[in-house]
Amino acid sequence: SQQGEEDPQALSIQEGENATMNCSYKTSINNLQWYRQNSGRGLVHLILIRSNEREKHSGRLRVTLDTSKKSSSLLITASRAADTASYFCATDAAYSGAGSYQLTFGKGTKLSVIP
Amino acid sequence: NAGVMQNPRHLVRRRGQEARLRCSPMKGHSHVYWYRQLPEEGLKFMVYLQKENIIDESGMPKERFSAEFPKEGPSILRIQQVVRGDSAAYFCASSPPDDTGPYEQYFGPGTRLTVT
Repeated sequence: SQQGEEDPQALSIQEGENATMNCSYKTSINNLQWYRQNSGRGLVHLILIRSNEREKHSGRLRVTLDTSKKSSSLLITASRAADTASYFCATDAAYSGAGSYQLTFGKGTKLSVIP
Repeated sequence: NAGVMQNPRHLVRRRGQEARLRCSPMKGHSHVYWYRQLPEEGLKFMVYLQKENIIDESGMPKERFSAEFPKEGPSILRIQQVVRGDSAAYFCASSPPDDTGPYEQYFGPGTRLTVT
């Protein structure tokens, strides 16, 4: 079963608005990470949240984690045109037989911020 | 501090040729991971290496694909006798030498392989 399913698949907002993206996963995890990928480029690490944490902030980013619902959300406040990118959540599996280094990515949410 | 470096950035190969993708981890990092990304898809784990050791290659196809991370020099992902289905973006990531995790992985810009 696939971990890290992002929702929505695509999101279009006006500059200055907030953007919320969600991620659901199926098995227990150690950590969940969010990455950004600009079109045709590599991934930029945004934030890591551990399974015993509920919320984390970094600049305009706010990440929440609900392990009981197996879901996470990424909130970008006061969005800018430069935030236009695909956003991926990546999970590691907290079970024996798979190292926690083995990240599983969803298909991502494509965010478009219109100036 | 330079980030993860990959080269070439773009590689075109004809069917049946060999592709060699190189990755230099961030300074101070000794763990290297390779992922593959098909169009409109997320990244899929292929292999995890430490210096001179393959730790986990469970995501790598059994045939034609191999990876190494020698004591000196970059990590190499090698694809022999490429086929059209190998066309994808191949990303390398690295993380610090902390075996206890969490494995915060830093990604390179990727190599886009096109097989004609």
